[in-house]
Amino acid sequence: QQQVKQSPQSLIVQKGGISIINCAYENTAFDYFPWYQQFPGKGPALLIAIRPDVSEKKEGRFTISFNKSAKQFSLHIMDSQPGDSATYFCAATGGTSYGKLTFGQGTILTVHP
Amino acid sequence: GAGVSQTPSNKVTEKGKYVELRCDPISGHTALYWYRQSLGQGPEFLIYFQGTGAADDSGLPNDRFFAVRPEGSVSTLKIQRTERGDSAVYLCASSARTGQHSPLHFGNGTRLTVT
Repeated sequence: QQQVKQSPQSLIVQKGGISIINCAYENTAFDYFPWYQQFPGKGPALLIAIRPDVSEKKEGRFTISFNKSAKQFSLHIMDSQPGDSATYFCAATGGTSYGKLTFGQGTILTVHP
Repeated sequence: GAGVSQTPSNKVTEKGKYVELRCDPISGHTALYWYRQSLGQGPEFLIYFQGTGAADDSGLPNDRFFAVRPEGSVSTLKIQRTERGDSAVYLCASSARTGQHSPLHFGNGTRLTVT
């Protein structure tokens, strides 16, 4: 019940295209859903996050869509750039410690110029 | 810099040896977290501290793993009798508080290789 399932494992898009990464969770106690970006040799960095009381959150080229009834959420990267090439992780948490995150397995995104 | 600092960046040790991994959190951050990231996987929670005390150590895999934060700042993750399966990147993160609006700031990790 603690799992967060992420797909696809890898994704290749052309510059200017839209990248879409999907996640699904099981634990209904989760109420905070961040996305992290990780470059090789670096730690994950918070990209954007959403709570279940909204269905969408947008920050620049990054948008999270949230479907509470389906227990699914997704990251959309508009106008993808080669500099966006990285590994993306969805995560979920809730309860008394929002730093105790359950991460998805990650998606390796490659954006071709 | 002002980020989370982890040392060493790389550690190679022989099976059965003892290792210590250090984390210097962002100054003033009261919450500190340890995660483990195996190759091709997402980070997995190990333990977190609120101040000096371990508030949740439910992710520690067994009693060979132990972590301390004696003065509420620097933390050390200690692994006894290392096994090849302990090989991973150990990530430390800190946050100003444990609330929802206090994001985690991760360090670059310590890559542990057990031969």
